[in-house]
Amino acid sequence: KNEVEQSPQNLTAQEGEFITINCSYSVGISALHWLQQHPGGGIVSLFMLSSGKKKHGRLIATINIQEKHSSLHITASHPRDSAVYICAASGGGADGLTFGKGTHLIIQP
Amino acid sequence: ETGVTQSPTHLIKTRGQQVTLRCSSQSGHNTVSWYQQALGQGPQFIFQYYREEENGRGNFPPRFSGLQFPNYSSELNVNALELDDSALYLCASSLNRGASYNSPLHFGNGTRLTVT
Repeated sequence: KNEVEQSPQNLTAQEGEFITINCSYSVGISALHWLQQHPGGGIVSLFMLSSGKKKHGRLIATINIQEKHSSLHITASHPRDSAVYICAASGGGADGLTFGKGTHLIIQP
Repeated sequence: ETGVTQSPTHLIKTRGQQVTLRCSSQSGHNTVSWYQQALGQGPQFIFQYYREEENGRGNFPPRFSGLQFPNYSSELNVNALELDDSALYLCASSLNRGASYNSPLHFGNGTRLTVT
């Protein structure tokens, strides 16, 4: 069974700061998802990656398969980035995702 | 294209009752998965349906059951509700081909269930 750990659990930063959220997993995976959850519950898929790096706007996700580690970076952070960020690991089979507990990010103006 | 919609948005039930939650998948998606998210926790995988058949299940008892219909909409049924079933229930749809289930997921906004 895969164990997915995220750090930090909570993060408060000032607008404009560079943000890094880390995710590690215990068992080899076929894909790693980064998700964003706003108050009220709705989840948005940000990235799905199996190697290397992906970029979308101010968001960058990287993964190191050998080290079983992924990071989500936010450049030039903005208060609207405030949300819970969750990483989730997929084994590629029909056994769903294993989620981390999430990182609660607050960006202060 | 329409997104994933869930109904109802909120629900209050009494311990021992039964509940049905509904999910309308994104158009063209053939796979739906359901998740339970307790307050302050990450979601937990309940089960997954692919082309109307359950093909994956997490660590949930049989009183959690589901259906996927020919139009790929889905239901989650929970019998004999317990207080610990109070949570946000999320469904996610995706388009999968063959044996690979690595496709981007599209989540609904969830149904918040309170059991009293």
